[in-house]
Amino acid sequence: ELKVEQNPLFLSMQEGKNYTIYCNYSTTSDRLYWYRQDPGKSLESLFVLLSNGAVKQEGRLMASLDTKARLSTLHITAAVHDLSATYFCAVDPRNTGNQFYFGTGTSLTVIP
Amino acid sequence: NAGVTQTPKFQVLKTGQSMTLQCAQDMNHNSMYWYRQDPGMGLRLIYYSASEGTTDKGEVPNGYNVSRLNKREFSLRLESAAPSQTSVYFCASRLDRAGNIQYFGAGTRLSVL
Repeated sequence: ELKVEQNPLFLSMQEGKNYTIYCNYSTTSDRLYWYRQDPGKSLESLFVLLSNGAVKQEGRLMASLDTKARLSTLHITAAVHDLSATYFCAVDPRNTGNQFYFGTGTSLTVIP
Repeated sequence: NAGVTQTPKFQVLKTGQSMTLQCAQDMNHNSMYWYRQDPGMGLRLIYYSASEGTTDKGEVPNGYNVSRLNKREFSLRLESAAPSQTSVYFCASRLDRAGNIQYFGAGTRLSVL
């Protein structure tokens, strides 16, 4: 069974601090996606990582992919309140048709 | 730019009732998806359609049926709703599977009493 695991599931951090969210997956995949979901809202795409070693950055968020370790990280630098949301990773394995598999999500709360 | 449009936004059903959730996209995407989101479980794929005329089961298809009416529209039907189907349902679409992202609708909040 294909699994996509995120940790931590819940994260409370102070403004200005740094932290990393981890996404591990159990199958071969060189496509990894990060999404953001605000409470009561839909999902918004943040990053698409399409190869081993890929790194993408947008503002205070930076995502990376290590396909050999089957690991992606989402690093938050100097957190601000506006980053409070739930973050999901998803994989798109080549051998499973056209499916996406989502992680359980990390609920981030940034405290002033 | 409508993107992915889902209707209705909210629905309350009684156990045993049926209903159809509608989804339409105006981005000329080939693939469309239905997910359900439950607390602590992320998004789970119910059904997907890789192209017009095809549908496939996802992780949790039991109790649901789908129809890919045309390239734009992909509907999800609950024939006999059960309380376990209380959830938030999201429709998504993407152009193809070569690294393209999925675009999501606003969601349908369904309660089955």
